[in-house]
Amino acid sequence: AQTVTQSQPEMSVQEAETVTLSCTYDTSENNYYLFWYKQPPSRQMILVIRQEAYKQQNATENRFSVNFQKAAKSFSLKISDSQLGDTAMYFCAFMKFFGNEKLTFGTGTRLTIIP
Amino acid sequence: EAQVTQNPRYLITVTGKKLTVTCSQNMNHEYMSWYRQDPGLGLRQIYYSMNVEVTDKGDVPEGYKVSRKEKRNFPLILESPSPNQTSLYFCASKSGTSGAYTQYFGPGTRLTVL
Repeated sequence: AQTVTQSQPEMSVQEAETVTLSCTYDTSENNYYLFWYKQPPSRQMILVIRQEAYKQQNATENRFSVNFQKAAKSFSLKISDSQLGDTAMYFCAFMKFFGNEKLTFGTGTRLTIIP
Repeated sequence: EAQVTQNPRYLITVTGKKLTVTCSQNMNHEYMSWYRQDPGLGLRQIYYSMNVEVTDKGDVPEGYKVSRKEKRNFPLILESPSPNQTSLYFCASKSGTSGAYTQYFGPGTRLTVL
């Protein structure tokens, strides 16, 4: 079974600064996806970024980038030039390539951007 | 517009009163699932369905039932709700096409069982 751990329950950062959210996972699988989801106060689950485990290059999406360390089973999210709209709960999630398509989530990090 | 809809969005009920939360998707997705979200626990899978008439238990199936009679619908049934089922529930769907990775989430249903 897979587990996903987010060790930072809450974080805060000043607007325009850079912040990094941590995520570690445990799996015996070799092929899998890793995701970061954002959940704003509206409660909607929004996909921020994904990483395929077979890709060495770290994924980037505009101000969002990841640091994927497969051997260390680490998958951190960096948010650059943080904006007030980035205030949300962030979940790290794991999904096997083949299987029941289940997303295994971490417990989340509540991020607050301070004006 | 591609979407997953859930109804109701909010529900307050009493212990033992059967209820159904509906989920519908308009993307012709094969895969659908239900998750519950609880503080400090993240989201956990309740049940999933790989296609019509194919369902299976997730990590926390106790007290829930599902059915998949049509491809677009995947209702979640609580036959005798209890207070420990008070939670935020999400339905999700995903294409079964090889390489498809995006799961589309519904807006969530806030359930309170008194």
